[in-house]
Amino acid sequence: QKEVEQDPGPLSVPEGAIVSLNCTYSNSAFQYFMWYRQYSRKGPELLMYTYSSGNKEDGRFTAQVDKSSKYISLFIRDSQPSDSATYLCATGAGGFKTIFGAGTRLFVKA
Amino acid sequence: NAGVTQTPKFRVLKTGQSMTLLCAQDMNHEYMYWYRQDPGMGLRLIHYSVGEGTTAKGEVPDGYNVSRLKKQNFLLGLESAAPSQTSVYFCASTPGQGWAAFFGQGTRLTVV
Repeated sequence: QKEVEQDPGPLSVPEGAIVSLNCTYSNSAFQYFMWYRQYSRKGPELLMYTYSSGNKEDGRFTAQVDKSSKYISLFIRDSQPSDSATYLCATGAGGFKTIFGAGTRLFVKA
Repeated sequence: NAGVTQTPKFRVLKTGQSMTLLCAQDMNHEYMYWYRQDPGMGLRLIHYSVGEGTTAKGEVPDGYNVSRLKKQNFLLGLESAAPSQTSVYFCASTPGQGWAAFFGQGTRLTVV
């Protein structure tokens, strides 16, 4: 079993839709949680970083962590074609090792 | 605002050839990492460094060597390239443990 599971998609939505991206993890020691966005042929870039359970909002993006069920989510409101990318979840226990999900490909159609 | 810069961006190697990938960061970060990204596998850690002169093995270190002679540079070497090393390689850096990583643009390597 992978430490972090993420549905690879692809996920295709119309412009303006609310997008929900999800990951599950297996290690209850994981303390920090991140979402990265990766455009085609580019490096991942940090989108959201959270250190605890609950919600964190940044513009159209909301990251949600439920440690009791080991479930992390990223919500994108009013999705735009420019949001089309691969989204990677990541988590770790505070050491040097960060575990990345395989990524979900998102397509937002104009 | 260069951040993390990787050289080269693309390379085709023949089986058995060697090469070195260069990573440079200008953020004075202590920690640097080399990952490979393969379809369906996500990012897997090859080697990492917690400071100048130190290196450590990650999840998939076989067939690779690294060196961190200067704080700002982290080199990844392939001594004898194999087709299984065809991948996209990313360098990343962080200020410390548990911090989000800054990634380079990647090196797309094909071994034929």
